Amino acid sequence: DAGVIQSPRHEVTEMGQEVTLRCKPISGHNSLFWYRQTMMRGLELLIYFNNNVPIDDSGMPEDRFSAKMPNASFSTLKIQPSEPRDSAVYFCASGSRRGNTDTQYFGPGTRLTVL
Amino acid sequence: AQSVTQPDIHITVSEGASLELRCNYSYGATPYLFWYVQSPGQGLQLLLKYFSGDTLVQGIKGFEAEFKRSQSSFNLRKPSVHWSDAAEYFCAVGAGYGGSQGNLIFGKGTKLSVKP
Repeated sequence: DAGVIQSPRHEVTEMGQEVTLRCKPISGHNSLFWYRQTMMRGLELLIYFNNNVPIDDSGMPEDRFSAKMPNASFSTLKIQPSEPRDSAVYFCASGSRRGNTDTQYFGPGTRLTVL
Repeated sequence: AQSVTQPDIHITVSEGASLELRCNYSYGATPYLFWYVQSPGQGLQLLLKYFSGDTLVQGIKGFEAEFKRSQSSFNLRKPSVHWSDAAEYFCAVGAGYGGSQGNLIFGKGTKLSVKP
């Protein structure tokens, strides 16, 4: 079975440029999560969706970040304009619900470097 | 509020030795608990999870974890460590209710090094 698919795997861009990260969740999963991981701050939840609807975006650092989930099989995380402090590994995870909790399955991540 | 504490930032064990990674949680009800492993340059892989029932949970790669409600702990164990187990390990608890449904609260992680 295909797991969570993220693209690109690596992205190098210059400050001020727009960056779009993509995620294809596991088929049948109803929840999707975007995380950011850095050495300093560890793993941070940015936003998560349930049935394509954003549920909690309190982790989105600022207005430069936006996320969409136009359908059950695709999501994007956009940074515009990008800054060097956005350099991190961005993970997407999709979840299958039991009770009030999702078991989350992570993608391989996108390593973003902003110069 | 829910929280997860992994007291050990870094642990080194010899290959073949036993391993126990500690995890303590704070949660007001019966928690849903998880252990994930992250190898260098990789995403997080689910090792095991506890939802209910038997408090000793078996996972992949020979790992197990025991839920102890009285100690608010969910420690991860392996009887004999292999060099390929060197990675970072994350404990997580289901955030539970309302707008946080579905979300997980992660600990800061424990990095495991394995000596030959």
